[in-house]
Amino acid sequence: KAGVTQTPRYLIKTRGQQVTLSCSPISGHRSVSWYQQTPGQGLQFLFEYFSETQRNKGNFPGRFSGRQFSNSRSEMNVSTLELGDSALYLCASSSPSSSAYEQYFGPGTRLTVT
Amino acid sequence: AQSVTQLGSHVSVSEGALVLLRCNYSSSVPPYLFWYVQYPNQGLQLLLKYTSAATLVKGINGFEAEFKKSETSFHLTKPSAHMSDAAEYFCAVSVAGGTSYGKLTFGQGTILTVHP
Repeated sequence: KAGVTQTPRYLIKTRGQQVTLSCSPISGHRSVSWYQQTPGQGLQFLFEYFSETQRNKGNFPGRFSGRQFSNSRSEMNVSTLELGDSALYLCASSSPSSSAYEQYFGPGTRLTVT
Repeated sequence: AQSVTQLGSHVSVSEGALVLLRCNYSSSVPPYLFWYVQYPNQGLQLLLKYTSAATLVKGINGFEAEFKKSETSFHLTKPSAHMSDAAEYFCAVSVAGGTSYGKLTFGQGTILTVHP
């Protein structure tokens, strides 16, 4: 099976712009979670989608949003970018049939805000 | 709410030596526990998982971890380190359902350095 894919891998944006990141889960996985990874804050949960519905959300401002499509692909959007949004954004997929809801991660999108 | 503490942000070992990375968790309900590894400029790779089926869990690349409820620990070990083990390791916890859907809570990570 192909793994989780994320596009683009690298992105440079200017403060105030918006950005959309894409994630394709492992075939058959219906849950997609997003995380932000920074040197200072580590790995922080953004939100999770299952069957096109957001089931859980982390403690991030409303500038961070996401959606999931009927084929389980997911996008996250960050509006009005700030310098502090520079990070590695990781998505992960999981299957409800797994015993521990373990998550499988993509390679990430490295976002740099200048 | 769940939390994870990884003791030691950096661990250095010689090639062939024992690897021990420490993880303590906090959870009010039975947890699922995981270890992930991250190589530079890559995503996280699942090493192993604890699901309550067995307290000693074996994973990939010769790693294993033991769940000790009394100590709320889930330490990662490998008998003999290899140069290719040099990476950052993350311990994570989750619980089933409720407000925890799809949420892994991670420790701060431990960077493992392996010396020849």
